[in-house]
Amino acid sequence: RKEVEQDPGPFNVPEGATVAFNCTYSNSASQSFFWYRQDCRKEPKLLMSVYSSGNEDGRFTAQLNRASQYISLLIRDSKLSDSATYLCVVNRAAGNKLTFGGGTRVLVKP
Amino acid sequence: DVKVTQSSRYLVKRTGEKVFLECVQDMDHENMFWYRQDPGLGLRLIYFSYDVKMKEKGDIPEGYSVSREKKERFSLILESASTNQTSMYLCASSFGSGTVQETQYFGPGTRLLVL
Repeated sequence: RKEVEQDPGPFNVPEGATVAFNCTYSNSASQSFFWYRQDCRKEPKLLMSVYSSGNEDGRFTAQLNRASQYISLLIRDSKLSDSATYLCVVNRAAGNKLTFGGGTRVLVKP
Repeated sequence: DVKVTQSSRYLVKRTGEKVFLECVQDMDHENMFWYRQDPGLGLRLIYFSYDVKMKEKGDIPEGYSVSREKKERFSLILESASTNQTSMYLCASSFGSGTVQETQYFGPGTRLLVL
């Protein structure tokens, strides 16, 4: 089993719609969780950290469910510019090493 | 703004050649990392460094070595390039405060093709 698993997609989303997707992780000792965004042929960039109580940043909402060991990302009012691959990232229990999921591809269409 | 730069965007080498990939960060970060990214496999950690002259193996160190002689520079070395090392190589850095929640900042990546 992979340490961090994501549905690779693609999720085809009409502009203005809401899309949500999850990521599961296997290490129950993980403490930090992130969503990174990666555009085609570009480097990953931090989208948002995920806090235990859930958090929101504009149109993006992230949730953490420790009991079921998954995190989620919801994008409201999707824009064409939201088209990207979203990487779920989990820290390992020891040290500052991160484990990256394979990414979920989102395509927003007019 | 944090800036992480990599010496080449694209590189073509022949099997058996020694390859150097350079990474420089300008934010005085303690931690630096080298990953490779392949379709279907995501980012995998090759080596990382928490301090000058310090290095630790990641998940897939075989066939690679690293050097960190200065704080701002972290080099990845392919001693004898092989075709299965064709990949996108990404360098990253983070502050190193000791807290668990640390953002890693990535360079633009180097696409290496080994023929």
